[in-house]
Amino acid sequence: NAGVTQTPKFRILKIGQSMTLQCTQDMNHNYMYWYRQDPGMGLKLIYYSVGAGITDKGEVPNGYNVSRSTTEDFPLRLELAAPSQTSVYFCASGRRRDGGTDTQYFGPGTRLTVL
Amino acid sequence: AQSVTQLDSHVSVSEGTPVLLRCNYSSSYSPSLFWYVQHPNKGLQLLLKYTSAATLVKGINGFEAEFKKSETSFHLTKPSAHMSDAAEYFCVVRMNTGFQKLVFGTGTRLLVSP
Repeated sequence: NAGVTQTPKFRILKIGQSMTLQCTQDMNHNYMYWYRQDPGMGLKLIYYSVGAGITDKGEVPNGYNVSRSTTEDFPLRLELAAPSQTSVYFCASGRRRDGGTDTQYFGPGTRLTVL
Repeated sequence: AQSVTQLDSHVSVSEGTPVLLRCNYSSSYSPSLFWYVQHPNKGLQLLLKYTSAATLVKGINGFEAEFKKSETSFHLTKPSAHMSDAAEYFCVVRMNTGFQKLVFGTGTRLLVSP
């Protein structure tokens, strides 16, 4: 089991560029999440998905889009990158259980800088 | 609303001495609580979790935490620090209603000196 994998590890973007952060999990988890971590802060939820074809906004969704066409993949799209999106992005997944998810498993992160 | 407060942004200990990382939570419902560890340039790894079973929870690498409802606390402890314990530690509360999202504390950086 590779767990949760993310690509790329690092990326520098210019203002206004767009990119897709890739996330894949091989644990057959229904639930997947995208977080961002700003310096000195905890993680903030951007988007989440409870299964293929179903996504919803978290706390800080502005400037991002997601899709979930398969159980394994949950890409995060940045359109018109802005310096405020400089952050470390973590993808996570979790198994469905009654009333919600069990433990979340995190990927290694993508460090994004927007200049 | 649920929230979590980590009382120390940095904790410094010497190798072989006890570790105490403090966490207080606020929750309208019976919470589920977690501690995650993040080593430099790595993702988050689950240390332990409390989900309304035993109040003293044992985790990996010799860590444990005690859920104290009367004090709304979930402090993380380890009897003897190791150099490899140096990392960022996050206390997390899970909302047990609706989607059950995780709410993260701001983290405590543990420094271990020889």
